Amino acid sequence: NAGVTQTPKFRILKIGQSMTLQCTQDMNHNYMYWYRQDPGMGLKLIYYSVGAGITDKGEVPNGYNVSRSTTEDFPLRLELAAPSQTSVYFCASSLTGTGGSTGANVLTFGAGSRLTVL
Amino acid sequence: GDSVTQMEGPVTLSEEAFLTINCTYTATGYPSLFWYVQYPGEGLQLLLKATKADDKGSNKGFEATYRKETTSFHLEKGSVQVSDSAVYFCALRGGSNYKLTFGKGTLLTVNP
Repeated sequence: NAGVTQTPKFRILKIGQSMTLQCTQDMNHNYMYWYRQDPGMGLKLIYYSVGAGITDKGEVPNGYNVSRSTTEDFPLRLELAAPSQTSVYFCASSLTGTGGSTGANVLTFGAGSRLTVL
Repeated sequence: GDSVTQMEGPVTLSEEAFLTINCTYTATGYPSLFWYVQYPGEGLQLLLKATKADDKGSNKGFEATYRKETTSFHLEKGSVQVSDSAVYFCALRGGSNYKLTFGKGTLLTVNP
């Protein structure tokens, strides 16, 4: 049972380059999320999705785009990388949003992708 | 909006010491409360949760009680181990939205 898989684990980009962080989950979860983690700042929500074909902005969406064409995949796209996007990115998923059975709304996180923009 | 405030770290303890990490929150409605733990080089994983007032979440010797009157969810452990060294995040999910709001995290280091 792989859970949430993120690739790549590490990446260095030059300013202005583009890239996609991949996220796949095999738990048939409806909800998926992208967070960024900056030192001393906790986690900030970038985008989330409540199901295939549906995405919405979180707290810090600027400079990013997402798509959700399948239940399993939720890639995060950086179009014009900037130094401010240097961070560790976490993808997560949950079966439900609020409510649901015990454990259904608990997030399962991937191992993270460390991105450096120089 | 929703917010979580947890005690600043880092926290350094000796093995078998008592641990408290304070967490208070602001939220509308009736949030669910969580503690997540992040071991070095890994993603976050759920440590414990509580979904209503006066619930106590517990796991691996850690406990936290959902106190609505003080809007708190403090994490405690009676005797910490070196293997408990990690970053601990308090989080809430508001009663009417899908998203987790996290505190800034508290780094715990336990020395032998």
